[in-house]
Amino acid sequence: DIQMTQSPSSLSASVGDRVTISCRASQGISNCLAWFQQKPGKAPKSLIYAASSLQSGVPSRFSGSGSGTDFTLTISNLQPEDFATYYCQQCNSYPRTFGQGTKVEIK
Amino acid sequence: EVQLVESGGGLVQPGGSLRLSCGASGFIFRSYWMTWVRQAPGKGLEWVANIKEDGSEENYVDSVKGRFTISRDNAKNSLFLQMNSLRAEDTAVYYCLRGSNYYGLWGQGTMVTVSS
Repeated sequence: DIQMTQSPSSLSASVGDRVTISCRASQGISNCLAWFQQKPGKAPKSLIYAASSLQSGVPSRFSGSGSGTDFTLTISNLQPEDFATYYCQQCNSYPRTFGQGTKVEIK
Repeated sequence: EVQLVESGGGLVQPGGSLRLSCGASGFIFRSYWMTWVRQAPGKGLEWVANIKEDGSEENYVDSVKGRFTISRDNAKNSLFLQMNSLRAEDTAVYYCLRGSNYYGLWGQGTMVTVSS
């Protein structure tokens, strides 16, 4: 199975900050990677697919990059509604696997 | 409205069975792979299984192979997850998702609790 490792596991940031979350795959996955946002008690929401494509309706302050084994989710100009937990997920092989999550908290 | 609605969750004893359902609306269900993902209380997301558009291919995570069966009824726009020999570690919210690689549509989830 491909292991997905996110860093950091949590971070504190202020409104207006630029936030970067990393996701590393245990083997190359090309660009078959997605990012999700989850708020407490809610279903996850898709943000990014194919490593860098923005899902329809997602604000442009969210961006994704990377290929192979190293990927990044960047949130520029952090907004109050962005405080949540973020997950990466690979779709290169079965079983699909998720990172352990990164919780973005208010500083 | 484009949506997925799960049902069938509840409390079941270890070793018991449960069948989850997911009703789809607002899109052409038979044109999409469908997926189940679960989340144990306070934990991260775990991919469980998926099924091809016509039901001809299924994939499972090792921990549920031989115990869970994914199926679909395209005439009724419905996805199912038959869960047998349930264990405490299967306790989770189960989400129904549209897609195989990328999941732009999620249901609200249904809670399954395995406990005596």
